This record gives sequence, structure tokens and C-alpha cells, in this order.
Amino acid sequence: LAKTTQPISMDSYEGQEVNITCSHNNIATNDYITWYQQFPSQGPRFIIQGYKTKVTNEVASLFIPADRKSSTLSLPRVSLSDTAVYYCLVGDGGFTGGGNKLTFGTGTQLKVEL
Amino acid sequence: NAGVTQTPKFRVLKTGQSMTLLCAQDMNHEYMYWYRQDPGMGLRLIHYSVGEGTTAKGEVPDGYNVSRLKKQNFLLGLESAAPSQTSVYFCASSSVGAKNIQYFGAGTRLSVL
Repeated sequence: LAKTTQPISMDSYEGQEVNITCSHNNIATNDYITWYQQFPSQGPRFIIQGYKTKVTNEVASLFIPADRKSSTLSLPRVSLSDTAVYYCLVGDGGFTGGGNKLTFGTGTQLKVEL
Repeated sequence: NAGVTQTPKFRVLKTGQSMTLLCAQDMNHEYMYWYRQDPGMGLRLIHYSVGEGTTAKGEVPDGYNVSRLKKQNFLLGLESAAPSQTSVYFCASSSVGAKNIQYFGAGTRLSVL
């Protein structure tokens, strides 16, 4: 089960680009990297997923180096509404071996200020 | 689009009481999950189901039971509530083809006194 490490918290200002890096040294060949966002009193919401290189959608970009031992979530021009907890998850989502291979850590609390 | 619906949204129990949390999804997803989230912590998996009629234990299953009699519903039961089960409970679902992309409900805030 790949363990992830990400910063506990980050601060930014409106209009800046925010990059949150996640380390996952034990990532397996079949594992995907998935990021979620959670606002207070709400369930997590899927943001982006990738396997290698770069993935971009309307919300964020995900950069994955060739060795896949880390990944970086990039949020362009953040606003106050991007203040949330961001979770990095690694796994294939399967349940082989008797356990769930998708684990939510404590995430990164991003605070965006004016 | 309803997505994943959890009922109730809030509940207060006394120690020893029982209750059932209901999760319903309308996306025809095979996989469903129950998590709990405590202050300052991430989500911890309680139980999950990979299909109708099947359930399995997650990371913290003790004190909880689940049932998946219908594909769209996943029930979480507390037979004898304890203060340690005070938490926010989230249900989620995902499709077989995209297991890592889970859709979450709004949560149930449970207090056990």
C-alpha cells in the first residue's frame, strides 16, 4: 500500500498559482495518482487523476515525473473559494488482498487570502 | 442530479442506542464505501462493498455493520453506539472502470452522548 506524504498546510494569496507536492516513494506499477478537494462540512470532491506525465482539466493540472515517486497538483490563479483541504491518494482502487488500496491521509490545508 | 444521498444529516444518540445510516446512489455504481472523519484527521474506511449482496471490512470496522441488499443502497448500522463513534460519516460510490474516482455524499454528523 503506497503511503503518501504531503505538507500539512499552505498559504497563498488570490491570483497566485499554488503547487502542492505529494511524495509516494512506494507507488506500484498499477497505481494511479488521484487528488481530491474537501470544503468544510462537505464530502471530498474528485479533482484530477493521472498515471504519468501531465494531466490538465478545467480545474487543475497534475504533474508526474518519470519515476512517479511524487506528483504536484497545480492550481492556477487561486481564489478565496479554493480554500480547502487537498488529498493526494495513490492506488489502483482495487480490493485484492483483502483490503482497500485507496487511503485518505490528513491532506494539505490550503488557505487563500486576499 | 442527486448523485449520492445520505440520510439523516444529523443525529444525536445516547450511549447504547442503535441506528442505521442510509446511503443511496443513482449512478449505477458497483462500489460503495462508508468512511468516518474525525477532527483534524483524514477519512478512514469503515466498510465497503464491491457489489450487491457483498460487503467487506475496511480499516476501522469494529462496532459497525453494513448491508447492501440493493445495488443503489448501502446501509451502515451501529448496534450499540459509543461516544467514540461520534464523528462525521461519509458514504461514497465509484464505478468499476474508475475505482479511484469516488463520489461522496454530504455526510452525516453523529453525536453519541
